[in-house]
Amino acid sequence: AQSVSQHNHHVILSEAASLELGCNYSYGGTVNLFWYVQYPGQHLQLLLKYFSGDPLVKGIKGFEAEFIKSKFSFNLRKPSVQWSDTAEYFCAVSEGAQKLVFGQGTRLTINP
Amino acid sequence: GAGVSQSPSNKVTEKGKDVELRCDPISGHTALYWYRQSLGQGLEFLIYFQGNSAPDKSGLPSDRFSAERTGGSVSTLTIQRTQQEDSAVYLCASSPGGLCDFGPGTRLLVL
Repeated sequence: AQSVSQHNHHVILSEAASLELGCNYSYGGTVNLFWYVQYPGQHLQLLLKYFSGDPLVKGIKGFEAEFIKSKFSFNLRKPSVQWSDTAEYFCAVSEGAQKLVFGQGTRLTINP
Repeated sequence: GAGVSQSPSNKVTEKGKDVELRCDPISGHTALYWYRQSLGQGLEFLIYFQGNSAPDKSGLPSDRFSAERTGGSVSTLTIQRTQQEDSAVYLCASSPGGLCDFGPGTRLLVL
């Protein structure tokens, strides 16, 4: 069965620091990859997605992620974080139209 | 446009009672998911409906949990004989294929 691993459970950074959150998945076939974000008290919302094409994907709010097929990874990055990026971040993978499988989530705390 | 809606937004119940949680997906979305979000547990997949196919129930934690999707639209998640460990936020999501739109969730507290 498909599984998704997010290695960092809680990350604490200062404003302006660079961010990279790890995500690895288990399936070796054709996958769709997503990062979702949940700000405190809000719905889960899509940050960015990869279906095909350029493996470097740009999302909202300055986030990007790189799909590295050989490493089964889809790490999330942001060059300079802001206090407002404090949230929980979830990586998710689906095989075509199959169900979306989520990682355990990474809680990001940005100190002003 | 209208997003995924869920009701009730909060539900407090006593141990042993049955509860029904409702999800109204985005019109035209063929796929519908239920997830459970507990503190420190991430997002736990419960059940997945895709069109007219048999639902994927592989995530339901026990036979106390069941879900229906009527007419390819509204879905109801039923928890029978609730237990305290069922306390969580129950999230519904719908999808046209690929990415999901999530509802606000139903926060369930079992006393």
